[in-house]
Amino acid sequence: EAGVTQFPSHSVIEKGQTVTLRCDPISGHDNLYWYRRVMGKEIKFLLHFVKESKQDESGMPNNRFLAERTGGTYSTLKVQPAELEDSGVYFCASSRRSRGTDTQYFGPGTRLTVL
Amino acid sequence: SQQGEEDPQALSIQEGENATMNCSYKTSINNLQWYRQNSGRGLVHLILIRSNEREKHSGRLRVTLDTSKKSSSLLITASRAADTASYFCATDATGSARQLTFGSGTQLTVLP
Repeated sequence: EAGVTQFPSHSVIEKGQTVTLRCDPISGHDNLYWYRRVMGKEIKFLLHFVKESKQDESGMPNNRFLAERTGGTYSTLKVQPAELEDSGVYFCASSRRSRGTDTQYFGPGTRLTVL
Repeated sequence: SQQGEEDPQALSIQEGENATMNCSYKTSINNLQWYRQNSGRGLVHLILIRSNEREKHSGRLRVTLDTSKKSSSLLITASRAADTASYFCATDATGSARQLTFGSGTQLTVLP
């Protein structure tokens, strides 16, 4: 079974530009999560999809961030326009069940650097 | 302090020794998970312990959970140089719609 994959692994952009990150969850996992770690701080939750629906987006920092999961498969996270403080590592995770205790499996992350 | 805080922040031991890391949290939880992150890489899931469990083993890993003290510990026995990594606990709080809250992590260095 393939794990969670993320693309790109690294992205370097200038302030004001747009970047789109992609996450492919484990096949059959309805739950998809985005997290990020900025400036060596704690890993913070951004949002949670159940299939194509946003279940919880309470962690999204502002309206420069837009996440989509069309068709309930892969997800994209767009940052537009990017700011310096957006630099960090963006992780995606997926899990199978919507109810009860379930393990979240993480991808390798995308390291975003905004210059 | 924040949900899911680990201590110590850094731990350096010799190969073959045991390593113990602790995690404290604040709210009621459904489960607590431990993850490892090797330098520059993704998070690898190590073990999940449910709120109604007190202890769990997986290979050289032993996790305990004390919900009355809102704390957990991760013990790695007979450590190896390859165990060098950052270790994070993450809690799935009740009513949280499944989001995980991470601590700041413990950096473990195992010296050969």
